Amino acid sequence: AQSVSQHNHHVILSEAASLELGCNYSYGGTVNLFWYVQYPGQHLQLLLKYFSGDPLVKGIKGFEAEFIKSKFSFNLRKPSVQWSDTAEYFCAVTGSSNTGKLIFGQGTTLQVKP
Amino acid sequence: DAGVIQSPRHEVTEMGQEVTLRCKPISGHNSLFWYRQTMMRGLELLIYFNNNVPIDDSGMPEDRFSAKMPNASFSTLKIQPSEPRDSAVYFCASSSTTGVDIGELFFGEGSRLTVL
Repeated sequence: AQSVSQHNHHVILSEAASLELGCNYSYGGTVNLFWYVQYPGQHLQLLLKYFSGDPLVKGIKGFEAEFIKSKFSFNLRKPSVQWSDTAEYFCAVTGSSNTGKLIFGQGTTLQVKP
Repeated sequence: DAGVIQSPRHEVTEMGQEVTLRCKPISGHNSLFWYRQTMMRGLELLIYFNNNVPIDDSGMPEDRFSAKMPNASFSTLKIQPSEPRDSAVYFCASSSTTGVDIGELFFGEGSRLTVL
């Protein structure tokens, strides 16, 4: 069955700390991968996406993610977090048919202390 | 572009009442999705349409839920009768199967439903 697993449910960091959120997926065939962010009280917004090419993807607000095919992983990283990064982060996967039907992970709540 | 527009933003109703949530996708997008978000279950895909046709409704909880997309610019999600366990935030999202944004979902602001 298709699934996405996010290892950390709740992460607490101090400002300027480095961030890495884990994401593993189970999906047959070629995949497209996404990270979405949901700020408190808001809708989901795209942080970054991987379709093909360079497995290191850079997104908005200094975030990046690395696709490691052999590990079925797509971990999200940021070298130095800010208080404004406090949000919930969702990893998602879809097949290359690009129907838009995303399978989401359970989400990771990031709390950044000022 | 105005983005995906949902209404109402908040709805409080009593158990047994009918609830209708509305969505206007981004113009030109040909896929539309309804998701439900709760603390316990996270984000769940309820149903999605492609070119106004329902493709996969396996996530619809039960017969009390129904969704329609009469044209490319409008969709509804109806719950009748509503129950307290339906309380959640319902998100509508749209995407395109062509163009530079292919495969990317654009979400609306959500409709927060509370059933008393």
